[in-house]
Amino acid sequence: AQSVTQLGSHVSVSEGALVLLRCNYSSSVPPYLFWYVQYPNQGLQLLLKYTTGATLVKGINGFEAEFKKSETSFHLTKPSAHMSDAAEYFCAVNKGGYGNNRLAFGKGNQVVVIP
Amino acid sequence: EAGVTQSPTHLIKTRGQQVTLRCSPISGHTSVYWYQQALGLGLQFLLWYDEGEERNRGNFPPRFSGRQFPNYSSELNVNALELEDSALYLCASSPGSVVTADTQYFGPGTRLTVL
Repeated sequence: AQSVTQLGSHVSVSEGALVLLRCNYSSSVPPYLFWYVQYPNQGLQLLLKYTTGATLVKGINGFEAEFKKSETSFHLTKPSAHMSDAAEYFCAVNKGGYGNNRLAFGKGNQVVVIP
Repeated sequence: EAGVTQSPTHLIKTRGQQVTLRCSPISGHTSVYWYQQALGLGLQFLLWYDEGEERNRGNFPPRFSGRQFPNYSSELNVNALELEDSALYLCASSPGSVVTADTQYFGPGTRLTVL
């Protein structure tokens, strides 16, 4: 079974500082990897995804993530936090393959941006 | 382009009742997914429909069921409601493939409260 680990349920970051959210996965096959963001009382919005090819993936709102197969990681970063980045962030894995198109999510990181 | 829509936005039911949630996918998408986001349990996969067929099911009891209509919209039915069914129910859609891992686009969710 595939699983996703996100450490630190709450992450505080100062405005203008680096945002780093860690995601590690376990999967028996190379997975497809996603980061989603959820603003209060809303659904999930796709930030970025990795399927194949370039391991450094750029997403919306200045976020990027790097797939490291040797470390089974897909950490999310943003060089400079903005107040509007306050939200909950979820890392998700999809093993793909026939009949396996389902997402397994991490527990999420609640990001608080301090002025 | 309209996104995934869900109705109703909020629902309040009592234990033992039945509820139906509705989802309309993005135009052109044939796959619909249902997820439950319950407090303390995170996001859990419920059901996946594609081309009117149930393709995959998460670890939920049979009182959770659904269907997909010819226009690709979907319903999630929950019978004999229990208090722990209180959650945000998220619907997602994707272009549709039983082979590869499509990106899933989420709706705003239906907040179900069971009293």
